[in-house]
Amino acid sequence: DAKTTQPPSMDCAEGRAANLPCNHSTISGNEYVYWYRQIHSQGPQYIIHGLKNNETNEMASLIITEDRKSSTLILPHATLRDTAVYYCIVRVRNSGYSTLTFGKGTMLLVSP
Amino acid sequence: GAGVSQSPSNKVTEKGKDVELRCDPISGHTALYWYRQSLGQGLEFLIYFQGNSAPDKSGLPSDRFSAERTGGSVSTLTIQRTQQEDSAVYLCASSLAATDTQYFGPGTRLTVL
Repeated sequence: DAKTTQPPSMDCAEGRAANLPCNHSTISGNEYVYWYRQIHSQGPQYIIHGLKNNETNEMASLIITEDRKSSTLILPHATLRDTAVYYCIVRVRNSGYSTLTFGKGTMLLVSP
Repeated sequence: GAGVSQSPSNKVTEKGKDVELRCDPISGHTALYWYRQSLGQGLEFLIYFQGNSAPDKSGLPSDRFSAERTGGSVSTLTIQRTQQEDSAVYLCASSLAATDTQYFGPGTRLTVL
C-alpha cells in the first residue's frame, strides 16, 4: 500500500471547520483513501473513505484532488469530542484482504 | 446496530500466566482481524480470519500466541506464558467481506507484571 504523509499536529477552535490534509503522492489507481481516528484509550473509529470523487457522510467530508495525490478530511463544525489522532491510509479493496497500517497520524486538538 | 465488542476491557496478569481475549464481531461479518498497539506505537497486525479459517497468521509474534474462531463469529486470542513485552492494547476488527471497511472494537488493555 502507498505511504501517506500527515502533519503531526493541528489546532482548531470549537465550532470551526477542521481541515486535515494528507499527502499520498504514490497512490495507485486501485487504492482507496481511508480515514480513521483514535480518541485516547479507545479503538480506532472509521470515518470515511473514497476513491476519486468527494464523499460526505454524517461525520465528515473527504475531498480528493483530481490527480489523487492528496486529500483533505473536513470536520465541518469541530467539537471538543473530536480531539483525537486522525489517520489517513490508502489501501486496495479489490484484490482480497489487506491489513491496516497506521502511520503517526495528525493529533487534532479542538479547544473551547 | 451493535459494533465490535471485546472482553475483558482490561486484564492485569502475572508473568508466565496464560490469558484469553475475546472478540465478538459485527453480526454477519465474515472477516476478522486481530491487531495490537503498544504504547505510542502504530498498529501491529497479528492474524486474519475468513470465516473459521485463518489464511494469514504471519503477524503472530511467537508460538505462545494462538487464535481461533468458531461458528464464523466469536474469536479468542490466547497468549500462553505471558511476558512483559506482551503488554499492549489488543484490538479486534471485523469487515463484511475481506475487501470491505474494517470496524474496530474498543480493545483489551493487557498488562503483564
